[in-house]
Amino acid sequence: LAKTTQPISMDSYEGQEVNITCSHNNIATNDYITWYQQFPSQGPRFIIQGYKTKVTNEVASLFIPADRKSSTLSLPRVSLSDTAVYYCLVGASYNTDKLIFGTGTRLQVFP
Amino acid sequence: NAGVTQTPKFRVLKTGQSMTLLCAQDMNHEYMYWYRQDPGMGLRLIHYSVGEGTTAKGEVPDGYNVSRLKKQNFLLGLESAAPSQTSVYFCASRRIPGQANSPLHFGNGTRLTVT
Repeated sequence: LAKTTQPISMDSYEGQEVNITCSHNNIATNDYITWYQQFPSQGPRFIIQGYKTKVTNEVASLFIPADRKSSTLSLPRVSLSDTAVYYCLVGASYNTDKLIFGTGTRLQVFP
Repeated sequence: NAGVTQTPKFRVLKTGQSMTLLCAQDMNHEYMYWYRQDPGMGLRLIHYSVGEGTTAKGEVPDGYNVSRLKKQNFLLGLESAAPSQTSVYFCASRRIPGQANSPLHFGNGTRLTVT
């Protein structure tokens, strides 16, 4: 199982770009990398998923280097509503039934 | 299309009581999961199921049992509740792994307090 490591917390200000890096040194060949966002009293929700290089959607970008041992979630121009916990999860391949979350990164956005 | 629905939303139990948490999904997903989240902490996997009639242990299975008699439902049981089981319980489901874009879909949680 690919274990993930993220910073425990990060602070930012409104309008700044935030980059959260996740380390996953033993990622398997078929594993995808998925990021989730969790607000207090809610279940996590899907933000973005990628396999290699760069993926972008209307919410975020995901950068994955060639060796795939890490990934970076990029949130452009954050707002107060982006204050949440962000989890990186590695898995979703045929031989990854268990999906174990890491500690997540608590992002606090200040005005 | 309701997604993942958990019942009840809140429950208070006394030590030693039993209860069952219900998770239902209407997305025809094969895989289902139960997680617990203690205050200020991350998600820990309790049990999961890769299809109807199957279950498997996660990280913290002790004190819990599960059943997946129907594809759309995943039940989590506490036979004899303990204060250490006070937590928020989240259910999640996803399509068969190995396909791109098969993320987890979560319910809104059940907040359980054991006194």
